[in-house]
Amino acid sequence: NAGVTQTPKFQVLKTGQSMTLQCAQDMNHNSMYWYRQDPGMGLRLIYYSASEGTTDKGEVPNGYNVSRLNKREFSLRLESAAPSQTSVYFCASSESWFKNIQYFGAGTRLSVL
Amino acid sequence: AQKITQTQPGMFVQEKEAVTLDCTYDTSDPSYGLFWYKQPSSGEMIFLIYQGSYDQQNATEGRYSLNFQKARKSANLVISASQLGDSAMYFCAMREAGAIQGAQKLVFGQGTRLTINP
Repeated sequence: NAGVTQTPKFQVLKTGQSMTLQCAQDMNHNSMYWYRQDPGMGLRLIYYSASEGTTDKGEVPNGYNVSRLNKREFSLRLESAAPSQTSVYFCASSESWFKNIQYFGAGTRLSVL
Repeated sequence: AQKITQTQPGMFVQEKEAVTLDCTYDTSDPSYGLFWYKQPSSGEMIFLIYQGSYDQQNATEGRYSLNFQKARKSANLVISASQLGDSAMYFCAMREAGAIQGAQKLVFGQGTRLTINP
């Protein structure tokens, strides 16, 4: 019962470094999402993918890129990390386009110094 | 414009009491969905309950129910017989259509921190 798996769980970067956050789901979901959560706030959508081969911007896409590698995997890349990208990142997937009940991974806590 | 409003930053409730967490929303789309998620101190996001805009009855899932008042655009979460393990952040979210056909994005409120006292 893995569900949505995110790696790594924790990461510390220096300003300007790059990294890729990995996400994989084993529920055969079509849609996948990346959110960020800043202290004391709700989640904000960065990018999403309705199906393999499609991606689109969410509310806060600047500074990020995504790749939907296949139906299972959706990665988030920070090309040149900035302190403003210090946050907790969540990946989610959903089973149908109608109800869109999204199931979340455990999160990646990222600090950019 | 803010689309989901949770007006209670924090709530304190005695164990075994019922608790209502408020959520109001704003949308012009006749078809939408409303969700509640729980985030315990460990950080994961746990889906609790869903209400569709065309659903005739209020949703229920065990001790959770959703008090859906469409005309008032409110979707309050009711937890009956609260337990110590209910202490967590609770987020209300709304589904809105995405730019890609079939894509459905969630917009989250800022959350309510619920503390259950023994």
